[in-house]
Order: sequence, then structure tokens, then C-alpha cells
Amino acid sequence: GENVEQHPSTLSVQEGDSAVIKCTYSDSASNYFPWYKQELGKGPQLIIDIRSNVGEKKDQRIAVTLNKTAKHFSLHITETQPEDSAVYFCAASGTGTASKLTFGTGTRLQVTL
Amino acid sequence: ETGVTQTPRHLVMGMTNKKSLKCEQHLGHNAMYWYKQSAKKPLELMFVYNFKEQTENNSVPSRFSPECPNSSHLFLHLHTLQPEDSALYLCASSQEIPGRNSPLHFGNGTRLTVT
Repeated sequence: GENVEQHPSTLSVQEGDSAVIKCTYSDSASNYFPWYKQELGKGPQLIIDIRSNVGEKKDQRIAVTLNKTAKHFSLHITETQPEDSAVYFCAASGTGTASKLTFGTGTRLQVTL
Repeated sequence: ETGVTQTPRHLVMGMTNKKSLKCEQHLGHNAMYWYKQSAKKPLELMFVYNFKEQTENNSVPSRFSPECPNSSHLFLHLHTLQPEDSALYLCASSQEIPGRNSPLHFGNGTRLTVT
């Protein structure tokens, strides 16, 4: 089955700096890669996703890149703000099947003033 | 406010107790899920229901028993749990399975402690 590895497990950046979280996956058939943000006391919320037919997707300060050859994808947050502090999860699945999502172990992002 | 509501938010139960977790989604979705979230481990898929029919049981012990009476409600019945079952239990829903545009929508979870 699919295996997703996520790094780093913790990340501390100063407000205004950029943050990058990286994930690798094992199943070359995977073609859907969402990212979730989980704030304290809440469930994960989808923030951005990418499909294998594109290499990059942006949404304001958030971007995701995908390298299918190397089987890795990354989340980039620019101009970080304190409200970006949360745990971020990457995930991967094949054929866009939500039930087959495999999650990474999460990255705790701390944005300091 | 999330479109997926879970109750209770916190639950403490003994190993011999029987309790139930409830999930309700207000999004008109057809698929519902139970996930287990433990510290420093990936989210673990437990059960999947599509149009009220269970489509996946991810080798979950029988002390966890799901119930889906309709597409909007999902329960997780618990009995004779073990301390290692203590975790955050998350409910999620999506429009369909499979789906090209069916992201998961999570509730805020039930924090379960087994004593």
C-alpha cells in the first residue's frame, strides 16, 4: 500500500519568513495530494490540493509543488503569520478516492513574532 | 462552524463501559468516515460508509462497532475498550467515493480517554 513520509515534524519560523514542508510517497499510481491544516482543538481542514496533471498550484500565500518523477510534493507558505501556527498534514491517494487517502505524520508549525 | 458536528467533545470511560460517539454532517454528502488520531502517528482510517453502506473496515477490532442509519448520521459504538484506544476520534464526510472533487470535511473530533 501507499506510504507517506513527512518532514520536518516541527518547524519554527519568524513572522514574515517562508515555511516549507516536504512529503514523499511510495505508490507511483497516486495522483491526488491534499494538504490539511489542524488547529488546536479542531479537526483537519483542507487548505489546498493538487492533482498529478499539474506541477504547481497557488492560492494566495500558499503553494504546493509536485514532482512525480521523484515522488515528492511540498507545501510552501510565504509571509507567514501567527495564525498560520498549526499542524499540517500531507496525504496521497490514487484516482482521487477519498477513502484511500494515506496521511503523513504531520508537521507542527510555530510562527514566532 | 464546521459542517460536520461530533458529540461529545470529550469522553472518559472505563474499560467495562459502553458508550457511543455521534457524528452528523449538514453538507448533503453521501460518504462518511471514522478516523483515529493518535499522537505522532498518521491518521488511521477505521470505517467508510457510502450511501449508508459500509464499504471499508480497516481491520478494526470488534470492540469498535459503527452504525450509519442514514447519509447524515454516523455512530461509533464502543465497548470493553483498552487504554491504548485513547485517542482523538474524527468523523469526516465527502460528496462521493470515488470522486474527482471530493475532499474530506472533518469534524472537530471526540477526545476519548480510556481508564
